[in-house]
Amino acid sequence: DTGVSQDPRHKITKRGQNVTFRCDPISEHNRLYWYRQTLGQGPEFLTYFQNEAQLEKSRLLSDRFSAERPKGSFSTLEIQRTEQGDSAMYLCASSPGTRGEQYFGPGTRLTVT
Amino acid sequence: AQTVTQSQPEMSVQEAETVTLSCTYDTSESDYYLFWYKQPPSRQMILVIRQEAYKQQNATENRFSVNFQKAAKSFSLKISDSQLGDAAMYFCAYRSEESQGGSEKLVFGKGMKLTVNP
Repeated sequence: DTGVSQDPRHKITKRGQNVTFRCDPISEHNRLYWYRQTLGQGPEFLTYFQNEAQLEKSRLLSDRFSAERPKGSFSTLEIQRTEQGDSAMYLCASSPGTRGEQYFGPGTRLTVT
Repeated sequence: AQTVTQSQPEMSVQEAETVTLSCTYDTSESDYYLFWYKQPPSRQMILVIRQEAYKQQNATENRFSVNFQKAAKSFSLKISDSQLGDAAMYFCAYRSEESQGGSEKLVFGKGMKLTVNP
């Protein structure tokens, strides 16, 4: 399977705990994006990387959120001191940087209890 | 800032019939991309079709075609010969074109749930 992969697929955590998600993009895609999707809504942009450089961050990305993409390969999204409002599907997408289209992974569903 | 509006939260269609999903957007940019994505229940987002704003010809992909009206800022998706597997959430999305120097993020509408009746 050469698509975008995400791990874990589901995460249940207690309020106040830290969580980390991983995304592996399609090989050779230099752009990687994180989105958050809540029930009944379209995905909302969080941040994106071109290679290892984080080029844009949404205002949705509070200081409890941090994302990295070491060596321009996989990426991690960490949420510190989780809150119930963080419960959502976290989607990762990658792009080769041309034609504009992004290819999505299956997402990580986070539930904060 | 760009916005995308999908005003119909739900639609249904009979198998083998044709259905049109509507989308409007707002932007001050002249060059951009528009997309329709499909999200089946509990499955990942799949790209259905893309349209470059500079192209006058409407994009088609097999049973899927768009009606792109740039002046009206309208971008509808037509699904012909609907199949049970077409049942999903459909999202319209906007992205700036690279030469505009804008963000590379996708801006999504709220989505529309399509039900296909046998």
